[in-house]
Amino acid sequence: ETGVTQTPRHLVMGMTNKKSLKCEQHLGHNAMYWYKQSAKKPLELMFVYNFKEQTENNSVPSRFSPECPNSSHLFLHLHTLQPEDSALYLCASSQELAPQNIQYFGAGTRLSVL
Amino acid sequence: GQNIDQPTEMTATEGAIVQINCTYQTSGFNGLFWYQQHAGEAPTFLSYNVLDGLEEKGRFSSFLSRSKGYSYLLLKELQMKDSASYLCAVRDSNYQLIWGAGTKLIIKP
Repeated sequence: ETGVTQTPRHLVMGMTNKKSLKCEQHLGHNAMYWYKQSAKKPLELMFVYNFKEQTENNSVPSRFSPECPNSSHLFLHLHTLQPEDSALYLCASSQELAPQNIQYFGAGTRLSVL
Repeated sequence: GQNIDQPTEMTATEGAIVQINCTYQTSGFNGLFWYQQHAGEAPTFLSYNVLDGLEEKGRFSSFLSRSKGYSYLLLKELQMKDSASYLCAVRDSNYQLIWGAGTKLIIKP
């Protein structure tokens, strides 16, 4: 257990569906992140939130919409996805955005877009 | 562009020692991280290096040479449970974490 919980663990959706991924951290951290992990590729940072405010959006398509209602919860709302969006989506948190801060990851949501 | 290179896959024998290399070219340097990721699980933190030299933590050690843009993770007394992917990541001058694609380590009996 890393203290970061992601649900669901697996998700299959059609291109016209709308779904949401949920992340909850029990570590008292102030920064939260969404990453995309595709096979044999480096982790791609998608969004960063610090004290509930979005500080980073790495040119992510608008079909991905993040939401951070408080420092413990992070959502990723999905709509009209493409098959190439199939990947493992990882959530992480850190105490703050300082360079030496360790990021703690959830186990991810394995997303398949049909 | 920014780049992190690590071998795609390595194989080692139980009880042996293995060294996983990571070379990087980034805009600035503010520390290097190693993570372990078992299949289907969360990446977990192993080590952090910001100064040159060797950091030892039990069976795992991590080395950094900033002048060479080079790090390695050394795993001793390998156990079957060490079979996993090992991710190298560098924090650049903008404090972004730049990730390598990971090295899949296979341990054979």
